[in-house]
Amino acid sequence: SQKIEQNSEALNIQEGKTATLTCNYTNYSPAYLQWYRQDPGRGPVFLLLIRENEKEKRKERLKVTFDTTLKQSLFHITASQPADSATYLCASQAAGNKLTFGGGTRVLVKP
Amino acid sequence: SQTIHQWPATLVQPVGSPLSLECTVEGTSNPNLYWYRQAAGRGLQLLFYSVGIGQISSEVPQNLSASRPQDRQFILSSKKLLLSDSGFYLCAWSGPPLSDTQYFGPGTRLTVL
Repeated sequence: SQKIEQNSEALNIQEGKTATLTCNYTNYSPAYLQWYRQDPGRGPVFLLLIRENEKEKRKERLKVTFDTTLKQSLFHITASQPADSATYLCASQAAGNKLTFGGGTRVLVKP
Repeated sequence: SQTIHQWPATLVQPVGSPLSLECTVEGTSNPNLYWYRQAAGRGLQLLFYSVGIGQISSEVPQNLSASRPQDRQFILSSKKLLLSDSGFYLCAWSGPPLSDTQYFGPGTRLTVL
């Protein structure tokens, strides 16, 4: 079956360092991957979309890569700040052409 | 610009009582609409989606139902709530296709006692 998976363990990182999150997909080839941020008690907010023919995409301190060989997307937060603490979700088109979300990875940036 | 509203923000209901959660979207026409549930510390579970008025697709069989009486209105209902229905309910909209970027509402925190 088609799956999209993220590391369920929380990522604790020191302020100023780069946080790297992983999103893996199996048994399908999405045309694009999306990344969202979710704060506690709030709905997810769209951050970035990267297409299969794009190797890298940037938005301010965020960088996303898409490796179709490894079937993986990496999400980087450079110069991380405590305000970056949140859960980050990846999503892609999967079964039934619907957007399917990974379980999310919680990031905690310590000052 | 588009906005999405959900209400109520929080709800505490006894087991066996009915439920009605409402979601409305402004600033767009013929959106795809979605209902998700999120248990504490867990991922998003897609419950229902709709591509048009009166068109509802169910992802998970359960005691919940959804309706879309108007183009930009999506309602989640239950006749009798279970303890397991507790969670954070999120409404979202997107343009076509179903894999398009989704925009979420503020959510409803439902506690069934």
